[in-house]
Amino acid sequence: GQNIDQPTEMTATEGAIVQINCTYQTSGFNGLFWYQQHAGEAPTFLSYNVLDGLEEKGRFSSFLSRSKGYSYLLLKELQMKDSASYLCAVLNSGNTPLVFGKGTRLSVIA
Amino acid sequence: DTEVTQTPKHLVMGMTNKKSLKCEQHMGHRAMYWYKQKAKKPPELMFVYSYEKLSINESVPSRFSPECPNSSLLNLHLHALQPEDSALYLCASSTRTGGYEQYFGPGTRLTVT
Repeated sequence: GQNIDQPTEMTATEGAIVQINCTYQTSGFNGLFWYQQHAGEAPTFLSYNVLDGLEEKGRFSSFLSRSKGYSYLLLKELQMKDSASYLCAVLNSGNTPLVFGKGTRLSVIA
Repeated sequence: DTEVTQTPKHLVMGMTNKKSLKCEQHMGHRAMYWYKQKAKKPPELMFVYSYEKLSINESVPSRFSPECPNSSLLNLHLHALQPEDSALYLCASSTRTGGYEQYFGPGTRLTVT
């Protein structure tokens, strides 16, 4: 079985930093993806972690701890356009496809 | 070209109609996916094609029928749908199945009346 948990909603202020957590339980693990999805649009890729540690890409960073079944997405210098849903997705071992968490709806306010 | 295209963007159909959704990519990807997404929910996987062969069917009703005519095209044939099938249908592709980024198309917004 598989279980992916992330907060349903978060609110943060423009210019601030926000951390969106994701915990997962899987029978096999082959990596974790973060996607951003604006309302009514398709998901777009943000990051992929398969090894422990922090991956930084501009204002966005993603962290993974395999032993803890835990990841977070860190967004710095928040902008209004960052208001979106952020989807954590886990890839199991073998050729099984991604399993998405329920997503975190982030609202950035002035 | 890192784009996945989908047509049509919007589709309204009656419960007795037959229609098809189309998806195309020219990135040389050998894995293609159909997802269904309801409002404020994550995408739900429907089908996976790997090297033009159906590799995963997530217990989708037979009123949805996928087809992969070649490595660049993916169709979803619709027949006798129900109003609860109204959703955003997303196509995605990746280099192969496994640890590869999935590129999503813009989706087809389907309304069944």
